[in-house]
Amino acid sequence: EAQVTQNPRYLITVTGKKLTVTCSQNMNHEYMSWYRQDPGLGLRQIYYSMNVEVTDKGDVPEGYKVSRKEKRNFPLILESPSPNQTSLYFCASSLVGVEGSYNSPLHFGNGTRLTVT
Amino acid sequence: AQKITQTQPGMFVQEKEAVTLDCTYDTSDQSYGLFWYKQPSSGEMIFLIYQGSYDEQNATEGRYSLNFQKARKSANLVISASQLGDSAMYFCAMRGFRSKLVFGTGTRLLVSP
Repeated sequence: EAQVTQNPRYLITVTGKKLTVTCSQNMNHEYMSWYRQDPGLGLRQIYYSMNVEVTDKGDVPEGYKVSRKEKRNFPLILESPSPNQTSLYFCASSLVGVEGSYNSPLHFGNGTRLTVT
Repeated sequence: AQKITQTQPGMFVQEKEAVTLDCTYDTSDQSYGLFWYKQPSSGEMIFLIYQGSYDEQNATEGRYSLNFQKARKSANLVISASQLGDSAMYFCAMRGFRSKLVFGTGTRLLVSP
């Protein structure tokens, strides 16, 4: 089954304790992205990657790191989490294609609900 | 820059009736795509329907159709024959050439028996 898999689904941690949220897709998609969703603010892009070893900042990259060593994986790293990073996080992927992706829907993982105390 | 506006924070509809969720957009791109996603209370984001800027016909996917009016820059989602399981948040989004997906703030739909 074609899917984007995020782990864990729920995570409670303390300020300053490094954590990684994993994301993997089995659709051979070039494009992968991380979003966070907060009440009243909608979905905001954190980082994205157009292909292996190519990553770029989104709208709210501060406090996050990513890497794209393999096409299928795009982990999100919080080196020193803070309470303002408490949020619902989504990983997503899509084709890029000749047309440049405007006609490619993003396929989302099931989300990771992170609480930082 | 691209922008999506959803002006209805919440909508109510009775089961089996049709409902229209509004979406307007702004972009300077000639090529772009418009998408609708559903987010049930369980939290996942489900892709519903896509409309390309060059598509002359309105997109349809089962009970979902997209009323695309390019001159008005609107891309309203129409759900026919609403079901209780349609109760969810609905997000309109757009994507330009090699660019990110930009979301609206969403509309919460509640379907009553």
